[in-house]
Amino acid sequence: DIRMTQSPASLSASLGETVNIECLASEDIYSDLAWYQQKPGKSPQLLIYNANSLQNGVPSRFSGSGSGTQYSLKINSLQSEDVATYFCQQYNNYPYTFGAGTKLELK
Amino acid sequence: EVQLVESGGGLVQPGRSLKLSCAASGFTFSDYYMAWVRQAPTKGLEWVASISYDGGSTYYRDSVKGRFTISRDNAKSSLYLQMDSLRSEDTATYYCTTLKYRYNPFAYWGQGTLVTVSS
Repeated sequence: DIRMTQSPASLSASLGETVNIECLASEDIYSDLAWYQQKPGKSPQLLIYNANSLQNGVPSRFSGSGSGTQYSLKINSLQSEDVATYFCQQYNNYPYTFGAGTKLELK
Repeated sequence: EVQLVESGGGLVQPGRSLKLSCAASGFTFSDYYMAWVRQAPTKGLEWVASISYDGGSTYYRDSVKGRFTISRDNAKSSLYLQMDSLRSEDTATYYCTTLKYRYNPFAYWGQGTLVTVSS
């Protein structure tokens, strides 16, 4: 199975700050990488797919980058509604696997 | 608007069975692969099973292979997960999700249904 290592596990940031979350795959996943946002008590929502494509309706302050085994999610100008847990996921091979999540809180 | 509504969760004893259902609307159901993803309480996400457009191909994670069966009824725009020989480690919220192709992210998610396996 492809292992997805996400960092940091938790993060505290101020409003307006820029936040970066990293995801490392145990093997090349050829940009078959998605990022999801899950707010407390809600189901996950797709933010980014194919490593850097923004899902329809997602604010442009979210962006993704990376290739091979290393990927990142960037949130510019942090807003209060961005408080959530973020997960990366590879869909290059079965079984699909997720990172353990990054819990983002406001400082 | 895409809607996925899961049902069928509840409390069940170890070794017993449960069948989850997902009613889909707002899109052409037969144009999408479908999948179940679960999340144990306060834990991360775990893909469980996927099914092709016509149900002819199915895929499972190793830990549920032989115990769970994913199926679909395109005429009813519905997805199912038959869960047999349930174990405590199957306790989780189960989400119904869509994929456009076999190797694709999970674009839409239902609200989830909680399955608790306990004596």
